[in-house]
Amino acid sequence: EAQVTQNPRYLITVTGKKLTVTCSQNMNHEYMSWYRQDPGLGLRQIYYSMNVEVTDKGDVPEGYKVSRKEKRNFPLILESPSPNQTSLYFCASSYRGVLSFGGELFFGEGSRLTVL
Amino acid sequence: TQLLEQSPQFLSIQEGENLTVYCNSSSVFSSLQWYRQEPGEGPVLLVTVVTGGEVKKLKRLTFQFGDARKDSSLHITAAQPGDTGLYLCAGARTGNQFYFGTGTSLTVIP
Repeated sequence: EAQVTQNPRYLITVTGKKLTVTCSQNMNHEYMSWYRQDPGLGLRQIYYSMNVEVTDKGDVPEGYKVSRKEKRNFPLILESPSPNQTSLYFCASSYRGVLSFGGELFFGEGSRLTVL
Repeated sequence: TQLLEQSPQFLSIQEGENLTVYCNSSSVFSSLQWYRQEPGEGPVLLVTVVTGGEVKKLKRLTFQFGDARKDSSLHITAAQPGDTGLYLCAGARTGNQFYFGTGTSLTVIP
């Protein structure tokens, strides 16, 4: 089954404790992206990657890191989480990237993170 | 400030009513998409529009891309409880960033 898998789905942590949210897709997609979703703000892009070893900042990259060492995986790293990073996070992938018309984004089920 | 503003933010209607959701921006987009998100899940693509003035129909849902490619609307005819969800517009511009709207939460009451 074609899917984007995120882990963990739920996480409660404390300020400053490094954490990683993993994302894996089995569709051989080149484009992958991370979003955070907050009430009234929709989805805001954190980082995206056009291919292996190619990453770029989105709208809200501060406090986050990413890496793309393999095509299927795109982990999101919070080196020193803070309470304002409490949010619902989504990973997404796309075959042709958003520049191409019809570049559909396939989303994971989301990871709800709470930073105390 | 969000690049794409949606209105209304919340909408609660009775089954069988019609409704329209708006997605507006001062920027031009090369394409615009609409997604629906249900609780506990990620958004799922409903439609992509790429030409100014384009109208697409998906059963009871009608999508329109503005002539100037700065706005879009989603019209639902005879809403059903299964239409309940969060509707998100999303636009592509130059580069590979994809901008999402602020979202419209729709509740259809049986």
